Amino acid sequence: SQQGEEDPQALSIQEGENATMNCSYKTSINNLQWYRQNSGRGLVHLILIRSNEREKHSGRLRVTLDTSKKSSSLLITASRAADTASYFCATDGNRDDKIIFGKGTRLHILP
Amino acid sequence: DGGITQSPKYLFRKEGQNVTLSCEQNLNHDAMYWYRQDPGQGLRLIYYSQIVNDFQKGDIAEGYSVSREKKESFPLTVTSAQKNPTAFYLCASSMETPAEGNNDEQFFGPGTRLTVL
Repeated sequence: SQQGEEDPQALSIQEGENATMNCSYKTSINNLQWYRQNSGRGLVHLILIRSNEREKHSGRLRVTLDTSKKSSSLLITASRAADTASYFCATDGNRDDKIIFGKGTRLHILP
Repeated sequence: DGGITQSPKYLFRKEGQNVTLSCEQNLNHDAMYWYRQDPGQGLRLIYYSQIVNDFQKGDIAEGYSVSREKKESFPLTVTSAQKNPTAFYLCASSMETPAEGNNDEQFFGPGTRLTVL
């Protein structure tokens, strides 16, 4: 069963611009995580935001969480070529012992 | 140098063969997971284990088997019953599962790409 759904599926922007990706989910959660995956590699954890938090920053990353709308956004500021990757949100189900990943947003940074 | 490793990186299987994918972690994590990723898709959970000698089916367990005899190791066997096994397989570990607490950030291995010939 799919919990998180990312939007857009793919995004191409110029280097230096900001990239915004969104994630919507269906059931209540304890926390929501964002991961990055470079092509052919494993996933790397970026940031975790808890259900009682509204915004969190980590370097050039800014994550927001709106539990009333069951949605989250990931903003990458001043994008770089190295940011080219797929980005996944992952949610727990608030009553389960596993997290569920969305299908991801493929981000391509143009030089 | 702590981390999670998977081997082999590439694996080829003939139809009707069983193959075993290795996953080892030295992070002292209790929970371990196996995911399957198809091209352009997200991750689907095959099996997970919260503790040694215990494991649970995920969403797509049919045709797969696992064991958890040691905390560090969680091998995945792709059996001949799995009709479409060609995919990228990812192993992960975490300190806790979501049900146990909030230390459920997952650490991933580099993946094994399995191809059926």
